[in-house]
Amino acid sequence: GAGVSQSPRYKVAKRGQDVALRCDPISGHVSLFWYQQALGQGPEFLTYFQNEAQLDKSGLPSDRFFAERPEGSVSTLKIQRTQQEDSAVYLCASSGQPGGLEKLFFGSGTQLSVL
Amino acid sequence: QKEVEQNSGPLSVPEGAIASLNCTYSDRGSQSFFWYRQYSGKSPELIMSIYSNGDKEDGRFTAQLNKASQYVSLLIRDSQPSDSATYLCAVNNFGSGTYKYIFGTGTRLKVLA
Repeated sequence: GAGVSQSPRYKVAKRGQDVALRCDPISGHVSLFWYQQALGQGPEFLTYFQNEAQLDKSGLPSDRFFAERPEGSVSTLKIQRTQQEDSAVYLCASSGQPGGLEKLFFGSGTQLSVL
Repeated sequence: QKEVEQNSGPLSVPEGAIASLNCTYSDRGSQSFFWYRQYSGKSPELIMSIYSNGDKEDGRFTAQLNKASQYVSLLIRDSQPSDSATYLCAVNNFGSGTYKYIFGTGTRLKVLA
């Protein structure tokens, strides 16, 4: 695709509900990142995939957060039993090669509001 | 101590002036350094990347890196109102077994017409 696509753009959940956020990276991009951005803060790292392998999940805040990228392209971030503190913008980013020298291409994000 | 620190601002400069944005980082092994611009309600977009000590210029933007002082800066010359945004400093150290780009909290820049 032309850019990184995320859906839904907005999600409202009641506390305790499960949510699934989708990211479709730029075609052929090896690296995929998930970030959480609270209002007025910088993006906080959640997890990193290189193709289908989840190489770093050190930023996932609890075992309620789970991410997958089974075929090395589309990724899903799942949050179980949502809490109010999960309210944030969830950003997905991809880059063409691993190694840390590449620019990140960000999607438009999913704004999650937990009531 | 945060891994990447920035003054949150706002930094206000008049149109046409030079805006100077600063960032310090704690991991001495950091290898790659980036400046992203984020307009309100939008996603970050890359402005500059720098990997070695010294200056790197691209149009009105100059990135400066000093690894000994663990300091990276961004200068914006001839600032325009359209430069008003939050500027995020990002650092990574992929060789250490981690794979994260670490972002600062961002500095909000306001360019006054």
